[in-house]
Amino acid sequence: GNSVTQMEGPVTLSEEAFLTINCTYTATGYPSLFWYVQYPGEGLQLLLKATKADDKGSNKGFEATYRKETTSFHLEKGSVQVSDSAVYFCALANTGNQFYFGTGTSLTVIP
Amino acid sequence: GAVVSQHPSRVICKSGTSVKIECRSLDFQATTMFWYRQFPKQSLMLMATSNEGSKATYEQGVEKDKFLINHASLTLSTLTVTSAHPEDSSFYICSARDRRTMNTEAFFGQGTRLTVV
Repeated sequence: GNSVTQMEGPVTLSEEAFLTINCTYTATGYPSLFWYVQYPGEGLQLLLKATKADDKGSNKGFEATYRKETTSFHLEKGSVQVSDSAVYFCALANTGNQFYFGTGTSLTVIP
Repeated sequence: GAVVSQHPSRVICKSGTSVKIECRSLDFQATTMFWYRQFPKQSLMLMATSNEGSKATYEQGVEKDKFLINHASLTLSTLTVTSAHPEDSSFYICSARDRRTMNTEAFFGQGTRLTVV
């Protein structure tokens, strides 16, 4: 089956700290992988994506590499800002249009 | 990117009444839309998949008579919570995929915070 396992939070970091949020998946076939971000009271916004093995998705200083050998898609950012405080969801999409989400990781960045 | 508009963003209703939530794809056609429910500090739970012109497919444990879904056009899907009760209070989010590009990315609405009093 398809599933996503995501690092549990909450995560609290100081501004300019390095961020890693772990995400691993199980899937049939060749899924696409995504990171979505949700700010308080809002819907989900696509942060980055990767559609095949070894692809690196990047946006706003965030990066994640599709690692088929370890079935992982860890999210990283070298220097977080207060404005990065949000909930981050790892997700995969396989055939049939359906998305599978991780449980979400809440990030709080303090000045 | 493509835009999905969800309305209303917040609604408060009395117990026993019905509430309709709209999800529109503004600049693309979506043959399939998805409805999710999100409990506080939890992930998104897929409720149903809405296909234009046909009946929605509900996930196990979701009452189809309670959560009525209509996908009458390629740009509009509605979710009606019938005879709402306080336990239906939640954050509801829709998403849609653009059929033109066959892109696997899903675009999400802003969400609707439903409070039943």
